[in-house]
Amino acid sequence: KNQVEQSPQSLIILEGKNCTLQCNYTVSPFSNLRWYKQDTGRGPVSLTIMTFSENTKSNGRYTATLDADTKQSSLHITASQLSDSASYICVVDRSYNTDKLIFGTGTRLQVFP
Amino acid sequence: NAGVTQTPKFRVLKTGQSMTLLCAQDMNHEYMYWYRQDPGMGLRLIHYSVGEGTTAKGEVPDGYNVSRLKKQNFLLGLESAAPSQTSVYFCASSSKYSGTASNEQFFGPGTRLTVL
Repeated sequence: KNQVEQSPQSLIILEGKNCTLQCNYTVSPFSNLRWYKQDTGRGPVSLTIMTFSENTKSNGRYTATLDADTKQSSLHITASQLSDSASYICVVDRSYNTDKLIFGTGTRLQVFP
Repeated sequence: NAGVTQTPKFRVLKTGQSMTLLCAQDMNHEYMYWYRQDPGMGLRLIHYSVGEGTTAKGEVPDGYNVSRLKKQNFLLGLESAAPSQTSVYFCASSSKYSGTASNEQFFGPGTRLTVL
């Protein structure tokens, strides 16, 4: 069964600290893996997109890693800010197609001062 | 550019009522999508369109219909609303696949629908 599992479900950290979110997938075939940020009451916004040949990709304080062999990805947030409070969704694209995105349920991150 | 916009933002319906959700994009994207997001579940694709005048079923199409009469607009219709359709609905758009893997989808702000 094609699944994308994220952990933890929720996370609370203090402002300025780093954190890492995990994503494991059992999706086949695999085209690319995406991380989205979704603020409360808003639509998801893309952070990174990685193909199977890419091991890491950064977007400012966000760094995503991908291990296609173990089917694991992580999103590392450096020096967290209050504005990082959001849900982070891992998405796997099964193919170069329009209807093959498998969404994880997200990790809800709360950053406190 | 406004990106992807959705109307309305909120709506409450009674069981059996009908309504249409409107999605508009100003990025000249070929592809458009309708998703629903429910608590504890990932986004699920309802219907999508690969171009003006075309539509196709996604993962959870039952109870919904769509139309893409203009390239910039994608309508989602509920003919007879049911409580199971209470959800947050997101529209998204993307450019036509060009053989690369970076076909990013841009999402609208969502419509929160409650069916009583």
